[in-house]
Amino acid sequence: SQTIHQWPATLVQPVGSPLSLECTVEGTSNPNLYWYRQAAGRGLQLLFYSVGIGQISSEVPQNLSASRPQDRQFILSSKKLLLSDSGFYLCAWSQDRASGNTIYFGEGSWLTVV
Amino acid sequence: AQSVAQPEDQVNVAEGNPLTVKCTYSVSGNPYLFWYVQYPNRGLQFLLKYITGDNLVKGSYGFEAEFNKSQTSFHLKKPSALVSDSALYFCAVRGYNYQLIWGAGTKLIIKP
Repeated sequence: SQTIHQWPATLVQPVGSPLSLECTVEGTSNPNLYWYRQAAGRGLQLLFYSVGIGQISSEVPQNLSASRPQDRQFILSSKKLLLSDSGFYLCAWSQDRASGNTIYFGEGSWLTVV
Repeated sequence: AQSVAQPEDQVNVAEGNPLTVKCTYSVSGNPYLFWYVQYPNRGLQFLLKYITGDNLVKGSYGFEAEFNKSQTSFHLKKPSALVSDSALYFCAVRGYNYQLIWGAGTKLIIKP
């Protein structure tokens, strides 16, 4: 069966510091990968998605970037964090976005920028 | 324009009573519709989806949803609510670029 791992679970970082959140998927190959942000415990905002190694699409221009160095690895980064980057970050995967295949989420990472 | 609306910010139900969480959508063509649940400080969990076929879809934890094309709705239902059903529920529809369009979420509170 497929599993998705996301870490760290919580992170407190000072303004201006770098960020790296990592996500890996097991039990599948060539998944579509996603990074979402959830602010204020409600709305989901798609930040990035990837259909293959090195292929990243950005949905919202911002202080963050994403990379996919391996087939089942997706990394969310920032060179200099802003206070507004605080939130709950969710990694997710799906097998084939062109079909009705389901998106499955990781457990999330809480980022607090202080 | 493509959109999903969850008109209720919060739904309160007594344990043992039936529950309904409402969702309406606007998308061209045949919709692909999804329901997810989120417990506090956790990721979203998939409950059920409608792609085609029977308008009544059964999912995890005893939940079901009814697709109504004429009303462009996909309401989530459960015959008998449990306190453990208390959580945040999200409806989503697949958009033209294959990405999911998410509703704002409905907080479901089940009172003992």
